[in-house]
Amino acid sequence: EPEVTQTPSHQVTQMGQEVILRCVPISNHLYFYWYRQILGQKVEFLVSFYNNEISEKSEIFDDQFSVERPDGSNFTLKIRSTKLEDSAMYFCASSKSPGFDEQFFGPGTRLTVL
Amino acid sequence: DQQVKQNSPSLSVQEGRISILNCDYTNSMFDYFLWYKKYPAEGPTFLISISSIKDKNEDGRFTVFLNKSAKHLSLHIVPSQPGDSAVYFCAASSSNTGNQFYFGTGTSLTVIP
Repeated sequence: EPEVTQTPSHQVTQMGQEVILRCVPISNHLYFYWYRQILGQKVEFLVSFYNNEISEKSEIFDDQFSVERPDGSNFTLKIRSTKLEDSAMYFCASSKSPGFDEQFFGPGTRLTVL
Repeated sequence: DQQVKQNSPSLSVQEGRISILNCDYTNSMFDYFLWYKKYPAEGPTFLISISSIKDKNEDGRFTVFLNKSAKHLSLHIVPSQPGDSAVYFCAASSSNTGNQFYFGTGTSLTVIP
């Protein structure tokens, strides 16, 4: 069964460093998403991406964040200058269609900012 | 800003009995609701959904009930099995917000053999 994959599973970085989280969505999916879950808190929407551009983003997704689909298979989330409060589990998801289709989630990348 | 709330962080149920997981929401514009199940070290997986034109949706052992007037939905699992032990998230969306889903904080279900 096709699945969304994410690398690395755990990333440790120093505050102020740039990190890139990578995702490989399901191959015939067209819509891509990033979510995060701070430990013990709810899953929060960050951004959705379609046709090589951001379609929606939350207030969390500020100028420190960017997304890219560099090569037609990977979907990346970049945090330019990490802060302690960026420590969270980051989930990538993909879906065939927008709106009310089920999104398939990856296993997540745990980001720890020291 | 907690638009979707799951007030029970955990629930324990005996195998074979019914598990009832609850979710409340505040935004009356929400018109589509989903339940996700999450095992440790895995991403959430879709379980069941319901749109606001229905008040019940059933899929095998899983049934979701929607009470729009109370802004409340619940997930019933019957009979509960040990493999159902996981964290369950409800999520809500509005036609106005497209792909953006708002998640609850999750309820950790433990089914005791």
